[in-house]
Amino acid sequence: QQQVKQSPQSLIVQKGGISIINCAYENTAFDYFPWYQQFPGKGPALLIAIRPDVSEKKEGRFTISFNKSAKQFSLHIMDSQPGDSATYFCAARRVTGKLIFGQGTTLQVKP
Amino acid sequence: EPEVTQTPSHQVTQMGQEVILHCVPISNHLYFYWYRQILGQKVEFLVSFYNNEISEKSEIFDDQFSVERPDGSNFTLKIRSTKLEDSAMYFCATSGDGNQPQHFGDGTRLSIL
Repeated sequence: QQQVKQSPQSLIVQKGGISIINCAYENTAFDYFPWYQQFPGKGPALLIAIRPDVSEKKEGRFTISFNKSAKQFSLHIMDSQPGDSATYFCAARRVTGKLIFGQGTTLQVKP
Repeated sequence: EPEVTQTPSHQVTQMGQEVILHCVPISNHLYFYWYRQILGQKVEFLVSFYNNEISEKSEIFDDQFSVERPDGSNFTLKIRSTKLEDSAMYFCATSGDGNQPQHFGDGTRLSIL
């Protein structure tokens, strides 16, 4: 079975705080794990991604932590800003290219 | 930054009618995908397309669905006889090759009445 489970469903963080979103997958036939950010009325936009041979990747305020043995990965948003308020989706890519998405997390950053 | 362009942004169609959704991929991209997102739910894979043929399709992508590249640039999704449950946002995504990230368009909101 190919599943990606994401939590929490929604998250409220104060400005300047750390937002943490977690994902777990159930199949090892994935070669790439992207995170997408989606604003209302827009398509998912690639935020950051990691390959399974790397345990952490950082780009600016965004960090992915990847635990291959636990089949888990997480997104950390440091110094969260109101402009970060959006829906975040984790995904796992099969070698065929098919992306399997998590359920999404709606993040609200309060000023 | 190059974009994936989808038209129309909103399509309203009577149940049983045919609908065609259009996508203009990023130039030089060779891999094409359709996904859909029912309101409030996750994004679901429909089909992938490479070298003028379907690479993979989901169980959602039944005989009512088809894809093609009619003129070498546009990438279309056709639903022959729409059903109420086809109402969703449909996203086109493209990538340069199978290992590169997929870039999404802003979607077409399909409303079936």
